[in-house]
Amino acid sequence: KAGVTQTPRYLIKTRGQQVTLSCSPISGHRSVSWYQQTPGQGLQFLFEYFSETQRNKGNFPGRFSGRQFSNSRSEMNVSTLELGDSALYLCASSLVPRSSYNEQFFGPGTRLTVL
Amino acid sequence: AQTVTQSQPEMSVQEAETVTLSCTYDTSESDYYLFWYKQPPSRQMILVIRQEAYKQQNATENRFSVNFQKAAKSFSLKISDSQLGDAAMYFCAYRSAFGGATNKLIFGTGTLLAVQP
Repeated sequence: KAGVTQTPRYLIKTRGQQVTLSCSPISGHRSVSWYQQTPGQGLQFLFEYFSETQRNKGNFPGRFSGRQFSNSRSEMNVSTLELGDSALYLCASSLVPRSSYNEQFFGPGTRLTVL
Repeated sequence: AQTVTQSQPEMSVQEAETVTLSCTYDTSESDYYLFWYKQPPSRQMILVIRQEAYKQQNATENRFSVNFQKAAKSFSLKISDSQLGDAAMYFCAYRSAFGGATNKLIFGTGTLLAVQP
């Protein structure tokens, strides 16, 4: 079974531009979460989607947005890029979010560099 | 709000030896999950071990085991018979079992483990 895939793997943008990152979860997984990883702030939760609905959102400005499609694939968008948005963006998928345990599987990440 | 603290930015261990990575957390919840993730240079996050807070027994996965002290809010990872492939960044993470069922993970700052041959 294929793992979580993220595209593109690497991206270079300039300040003020916008960017869209894509995440395809493992087949059958319906929940997708996004995380930002930076040397200064570490790993921070961005948002979580299930059945095309945002279930949870981290403490990020409105420039960060996301969505999930009916096939569970998810995209996140960052508008008006700032230098501080340079980071590794990780996507994780799981079957469904629920109180009992279910494992999340991470993708390889998209490395975004903002110049 | 929940927080996770890893006080050891870097650790080093000799191959075949044992090392313990520390993690403390703060929460007012009674039910939650704790995890250790490994992130090698490839940046792919890999689940090493998990612990359910309602279970008193410490989790074990082959060479990896945890020491879960719920009252002390401590969750350390012991790696036995360390191997070169264990070299990576290790993250401790917390997930609530409440709040309408969420997969949101709260991570610590990580411990970079070096394994010396």
